[in-house]
Amino acid sequence: AQKVTQAQTEISVVEKEDVTLDCVYETRDTTYYLFWYKQPPSGELVFLIRRNSFDEQNEISGRYSWNFQKSTSSFNFTITASQVVDSAVYFCALSEPSGGGADGLTFGKGTHLIIQP
Amino acid sequence: GAGVSQSPRYKVAKRGQDVALRCDPISGHVSLFWYQQALGQGPEFLTYFQNEAQLDKSGLPSDRFFAERPEGSVSTLKIQRTQQEDSAVYLCASSSLSRGSQPQHFGDGTRLSIL
Repeated sequence: AQKVTQAQTEISVVEKEDVTLDCVYETRDTTYYLFWYKQPPSGELVFLIRRNSFDEQNEISGRYSWNFQKSTSSFNFTITASQVVDSAVYFCALSEPSGGGADGLTFGKGTHLIIQP
Repeated sequence: GAGVSQSPRYKVAKRGQDVALRCDPISGHVSLFWYQQALGQGPEFLTYFQNEAQLDKSGLPSDRFFAERPEGSVSTLKIQRTQQEDSAVYLCASSSLSRGSQPQHFGDGTRLSIL
């Protein structure tokens, strides 16, 4: 069965600090996709990144970077020089398109990130 | 607008009443998903449509939950004989291709409160 674990329930840092959000996943499929979403207080889930299981290259987008390591089944997310606007709940999610299970995303419980000015 | 639209934004109902939640996906999106998000939790998958076909309803918690997408665009999630444990935010998402490989674009959700 697929599972996503975000062990950090809440993280609080001071603005301009770097912060890493951890994500560990479980899957029996060889083909799968990993996602990160941001949920600000308004409630809408905002897509940040998708990574497929065959692409282990790290990715950087501005202040955001992602580290995908299949050996440890992790897909961690780092925000460099954090800003108050980064405050939100961040979700890691997993999809197994070819699997026999549900077609939807399996989400972790989320990490509430608080950036203090 | 260009995004996923859900209505109503908030819904309060008495236990035992039926409710209907609407989702208008991004135009042209083949796939439509419903999720339930309890307070402080991640969204949990309920059901999936590819056009008008409901291909997966494995996440629906009971037979009181019913979803449809008759013309392959707008979808309605209906909950009959509501119970207090149905209180949650119901999220709708759509994506451009079938199955789960593509990013899903979410609406703002409907916050359902059962009294």
